[in-house]
Amino acid sequence: QVQLQESGPGLVRPSETLSLTCTVSPYSISSGSDWGWIRQPPGKGLEWITSLSHTGDMHYNPSLRSRVTISMDTSKNQFSLRLSSVTAADTAVYYCARDDGGSGYGSYDHWGQGTLVTVSS
Amino acid sequence: DIVMTQSPDSLAVSLGERATINCKSSQSVLYTNNKNYLTWYQQKPGQPPKQVIYWASTRESGVPDRFSGSGSGTDFTLTISSLQAEDVAVYYCQQYYTVPYSFGQGTKLEIK
Repeated sequence: QVQLQESGPGLVRPSETLSLTCTVSPYSISSGSDWGWIRQPPGKGLEWITSLSHTGDMHYNPSLRSRVTISMDTSKNQFSLRLSSVTAADTAVYYCARDDGGSGYGSYDHWGQGTLVTVSS
Repeated sequence: DIVMTQSPDSLAVSLGERATINCKSSQSVLYTNNKNYLTWYQQKPGQPPKQVIYWASTRESGVPDRFSGSGSGTDFTLTISSLQAEDVAVYYCQQYYTVPYSFGQGTKLEIK
């Protein structure tokens, strides 16, 4: 059973950069799955942010594209999210998730527990 | 971008009764392989979403058979045939036909 765990600061100052890491175990992140980040503002719905495909392709939500970076560190079996110039509107629970492609790439069969990131001075 | 709209926003159903949630996409999510790129998630309080249905009608492994999905093109339905207490959750549809992937606003399912 693949497990995903988000980590990173729970508080980020406005205008700074939010950085989160997702550690995957015991599955290798270079083994044909896609990997994504999804967020959920408190009490609200889900918003897809970005994904990194098993082919190395990266996809972004256009609404966040100019501020988002997704990357992978195969040596640590981790992938990461960076979101720059944050505002209070970026306060949310951030989830990392796996897309194994078994149901067509783009749907997520395993999710981390999520981490709350609050943007505040 | 594809906009996903769910109805109703909230729903209260008696135990043992049928619950039906609708999802409409602003454009077709039926691909040339004849598969609908539409999935349903269940999210319980304090937990991450859990995939219950993919390709619009295929149950994820381990999901009870009281859950079923139907529809094609732009109109989809999630049905719980006999509501159990553990089914109380918010349900989201999501299209994965094209990026940006997009979710419905969610339907909160409660016990009447």
